[in-house]
Amino acid sequence: NAGVTQTPKFQVLKTGQSMTLQCAQDMNHNSMYWYRQDPGMGLRLIYYSASEGTTDKGEVPNGYNVSRLNKREFSLRLESAAPSQTSVYFCASSEAGGRGYTFGSGTRLTVV
Amino acid sequence: QKEVEQNSGPLSVPEGAIASLNCTYSDRVSQSFFWYRQYSGKSPELIMSIYSNGDKEDGRFTAQLNKASQYVSLLIRDSQPSDSATYLCAVANNNDMRFGAGTRLTVKP
Repeated sequence: NAGVTQTPKFQVLKTGQSMTLQCAQDMNHNSMYWYRQDPGMGLRLIYYSASEGTTDKGEVPNGYNVSRLNKREFSLRLESAAPSQTSVYFCASSEAGGRGYTFGSGTRLTVV
Repeated sequence: QKEVEQNSGPLSVPEGAIASLNCTYSDRVSQSFFWYRQYSGKSPELIMSIYSNGDKEDGRFTAQLNKASQYVSLLIRDSQPSDSATYLCAVANNNDMRFGAGTRLTVKP
């Protein structure tokens, strides 16, 4: 099993450009999440999807949008990238809310 | 005020010793508690979950939860150099899981 697969692994964007981070899981999990990790600040929740067809804002949603395309896939879109969005982005999934997560390998994004 | 607080470390222990990692949280309605291990440049990996007060043991790892004191801890017995990593405490209320900034542990041979 691949678990949680994220693409791309690395990306450099110019300020104002847009991009979509892709995430797919093959564990039949109901819930999926997007986090960003910045030095000294830990992981912060951007958006989550408790089940197929639903999405909700997390702690730091501004500047991002998400789509739960189907049960397997949950994408994160940056419409107009800003330097403050330079970070490592992790997708995660779980059987349900309140259960432990399986994380993808991460996307290291730099906005210049 | 941070919602999940951990000592950032670094915590250094000799090989074979017990490593003790601590975490406090502010949200009293939290229901689920986790410890993740993160090696440098890698993604977090779930190592322990605990849902009720008391101790939970899994191999060399023991998680301890005290909801009244809003305190979670992780003990690593017989620490090995391969345990050197950052340990993240996480606290969840349904789909809202909050993470501490992590404690960096170094196990010296």
